[in-house]
Amino acid sequence: AQSVTQLDSHVSVSEGTPVLLRCNYSSSYSPSLFWYVQHPNKGLQLLLKYTSAATLVKGINGFEAEFKKSETSFHLTKPSAHMSDAAEYFCVVSGGTGNQFYFGTGTSLTVIP
Amino acid sequence: NAGVMQNPRHLVRRRGQEARLRCSPMKGHSHVYWYRQLPEEGLKFMVYLQKENIIDESGMPKERFSAEFPKEGPSILRIQQVVRGDSAAYFCASSPRTVNEAFFGQGTRLTVV
Repeated sequence: AQSVTQLDSHVSVSEGTPVLLRCNYSSSYSPSLFWYVQHPNKGLQLLLKYTSAATLVKGINGFEAEFKKSETSFHLTKPSAHMSDAAEYFCVVSGGTGNQFYFGTGTSLTVIP
Repeated sequence: NAGVMQNPRHLVRRRGQEARLRCSPMKGHSHVYWYRQLPEEGLKFMVYLQKENIIDESGMPKERFSAEFPKEGPSILRIQQVVRGDSAAYFCASSPRTVNEAFFGQGTRLTVV
């Protein structure tokens, strides 16, 4: 079985400070992991993905995530938050025979000017 | 290469009417997924289809909901006799034969009045 837990439903940071959005996964297989971002009333945009290559994955807009198998984590980070980063972020796991993408419940990021 | 196209973007239906949501996958993608997003919630898997086949419909309500992905044309998510609780954003995603990433459409926002 596969699942994803996003540990924080809301995160608030000041503009220019680091961002950390936490994600833990559970998978019986070697997982593929993704982070998607959703701006208000918009679709989902892929930020980055891990598919068993380098454990530190760089994505768009300065985001990156590190796959840590020992901790079953795939936390999303950014060194310096920008106002435009305010959005909903989803951690997603896929893999195995089900061929589904399993979504976390999302983390709402607020950036304070 | 156009992205995943969903239409309509917004759909208003009265209780008891039928709603038809369309999804055209990206060119060359043979896997389609439908997800539902209720207000303030994450995306819930509904159904996974390949051309002319339903692979996994474990997330679909047993009544009133159906999905198809014909040999030609878009995938259709059909909701019969809509009720207020069906109001949500419905997202479609597609992926290529070798699944390692899902590309999402902009979603259809269904409002039942």
